[in-house]
Amino acid sequence: EPEVTQTPSHQVTQMGQEVILRCVPISNHLYFYWYRQILGQKVEFLVSFYNNEISEKSEIFDDQFSVERPDGSNFTLKIRSTKLEDSAMYFCASRADSRGDTQYFGPGTRLTVL
Amino acid sequence: SQKIEQNSEALNIQEGKTATLTCNYTNYSPAYLQWYRQDPGRGPVFLLLIRENEKEKRKERLKVTFDTTLKQSLFHITASQPADSATYLCALLISSGSARQLTFGSGTQLTVLP
Repeated sequence: EPEVTQTPSHQVTQMGQEVILRCVPISNHLYFYWYRQILGQKVEFLVSFYNNEISEKSEIFDDQFSVERPDGSNFTLKIRSTKLEDSAMYFCASRADSRGDTQYFGPGTRLTVL
Repeated sequence: SQKIEQNSEALNIQEGKTATLTCNYTNYSPAYLQWYRQDPGRGPVFLLLIRENEKEKRKERLKVTFDTTLKQSLFHITASQPADSATYLCALLISSGSARQLTFGSGTQLTVLP
């Protein structure tokens, strides 16, 4: 069964460094998402991406964040200058098309900012 | 203010019994509601989706109801097994746009005791 994959599974970085989290959505899906979950808290929406542009973003997704689909398979989340409070699990999700309602989540990347 | 509440942080039941989890929301008019399962350190796994014009959905041992008047969804696991132990998340689709980001509840941690 097709699934969303994410790399790395765990990323440790120093405060102020840039990180890039990678996702490979399910093939032929058209809508892509990033969510995050701080330890012990809710899963929170960050950004949605369709047709090579951001379609919606939350207030969490500030200028330090960016997303890109550099090729036909990868979908990346970049945090330009990490802060301690960026430590969280980051989940990528994809959805098939405008008729498909279900979002399928990847296993997540645990980001630890020291 | 808008809120999504899941009935309790933790629920313990005996194997073989029916587990019932509750999701209540205020000040939302969701187009649909989804239930996900999340195991520790893993991404949410889609279980069931129910739309605003549907009263009930079933999938194997799972049943979801949706009452838009009460603003409540109930999630039932019949003949529960220890392997059903996990955190269960409800998520609402709020946006009517094409992005369709999900807003999650904080989850209920279910433990099925052998």
